[in-house]
Amino acid sequence: AQKITQTQPGMFVQEKEAVTLDCTYDTSDQSYGLFWYKQPSSGEMIFLIYQGSYDEQNATEGRYSLNFQKARKSANLVISASQLGDSAMYFCATFLSSGSARQLTFGSGTQLTVLP
Amino acid sequence: GAVVSQHPSRVICKSGTSVKIECRSLDFQATTMFWYRQFPKQSLMLMATSNEGSKATYEQGVEKDKFLINHASLTLSTLTVTSAHPEDSSFYICSARDLTSGGYEQYFGPGTRLTVT
Repeated sequence: AQKITQTQPGMFVQEKEAVTLDCTYDTSDQSYGLFWYKQPSSGEMIFLIYQGSYDEQNATEGRYSLNFQKARKSANLVISASQLGDSAMYFCATFLSSGSARQLTFGSGTQLTVLP
Repeated sequence: GAVVSQHPSRVICKSGTSVKIECRSLDFQATTMFWYRQFPKQSLMLMATSNEGSKATYEQGVEKDKFLINHASLTLSTLTVTSAHPEDSSFYICSARDLTSGGYEQYFGPGTRLTVT
């Protein structure tokens, strides 16, 4: 079974600065996918970025980039030029490509607070 | 992107009653839907996976007789919390994906906050 670890329960960052949220995973499978989701206080899960295990280049989506280090089994999220609206809970998640349903397993989350 | 709706967004019920939560895919056919539960300040925990036209697969520790899941059509799955108790108070979120698309996307509903008094 796959496991996701987020070691930072809370993070603070100054507005306009960059921040890195850590995520490590544990899987013996060769084929898997990694996601990052943002959950504001409203509760909705907002998809941010995806990285496939066979993707050679790090995924980027606007101000979000994923620092994928396969050998270290880490998939850290980098948010550049932080904005006040980035304050939220952030979850890393993974699924096994071999699973027929591709259920997601989530990490414990990191509460990010952007300071003005 | 694809849209998933949930109804109701909030519900308060008395202990011992049953509550039904609906999850709908609005612009795609959801062959698979997932139900998650989230307690305050905690992560999402998968409760069950439902496939259209077949019985749901429940995760270990989830009582299938208490959390009834029905996925009767390609756009609707329902979760019924039977004989609800205060400890069932939680945030319930559904997600859906279209296996036929071949993609990895999983679209989440906005969630339902259940309070059992």
